[in-house]
Amino acid sequence: NAGVTQTPKFQVLKTGQSMTLQCAQDMNHNSMYWYRQDPGMGLRLIYYSASEGTTDKGEVPNGYNVSRLNKREFSLRLESAAPSQTSVYFCASRSLRGQGGSAANEKLFFGSGTQLSVL
Amino acid sequence: GDSVTQMEGPVTLSEEAFLTINCTYTATGYPSLFWYVQYPGEGLQLLLKATKADDKGSNKGFEATYRKETTSFHLEKGSVQVSDSAVYFCALSDRSGSGGGADGLTFGKGTHLIIQP
Repeated sequence: NAGVTQTPKFQVLKTGQSMTLQCAQDMNHNSMYWYRQDPGMGLRLIYYSASEGTTDKGEVPNGYNVSRLNKREFSLRLESAAPSQTSVYFCASRSLRGQGGSAANEKLFFGSGTQLSVL
Repeated sequence: GDSVTQMEGPVTLSEEAFLTINCTYTATGYPSLFWYVQYPGEGLQLLLKATKADDKGSNKGFEATYRKETTSFHLEKGSVQVSDSAVYFCALSDRSGSGGGADGLTFGKGTHLIIQP
């Protein structure tokens, strides 16, 4: 009954270093998302994956890449970290049901977050 | 594009006080509306939702009514407790696909609620 699992919980990087944030869900959800949360900004969508094998940019994709490795896993990569990427990152997922595949009524399940500091 | 505006915080209340957190939205389609709650050190959890006009979502004593005429979804609770201290996010999911990136949600900036004993 794990839900959405993110690793690591905390990370400190130096400017220019790279890292990958891992996310896995065990609820057989089609759609997965990466958000960042910043003070006074709320949650902003970085990338999402509507289904296995597809990924799309969200509101703030610059400086990030993603991989939908399989239906369960959706990773977020920072190739060259910058101080502006200091944030709390959340992975989320939800099911996709019905004709047309609208997930509008389905709630998002969130992971517990990754606190990233880039020095 | 879609947007959600909610009252700035922090909002500080005494235990047993009445709570209202205002939320208004703009959307091109016919959105579903949500309130999420984030307790310290945790991810967001769905608190309640409403999928069409005049629907009322409710959970744990919290209520919100989808008001299409005023494009609002204000969160209310009659008597708050210290355990309600958290950050509350209003969000929408636009079925037209233009909000938050196709299947994503558009979130407000969050309201930090502090309940004092």
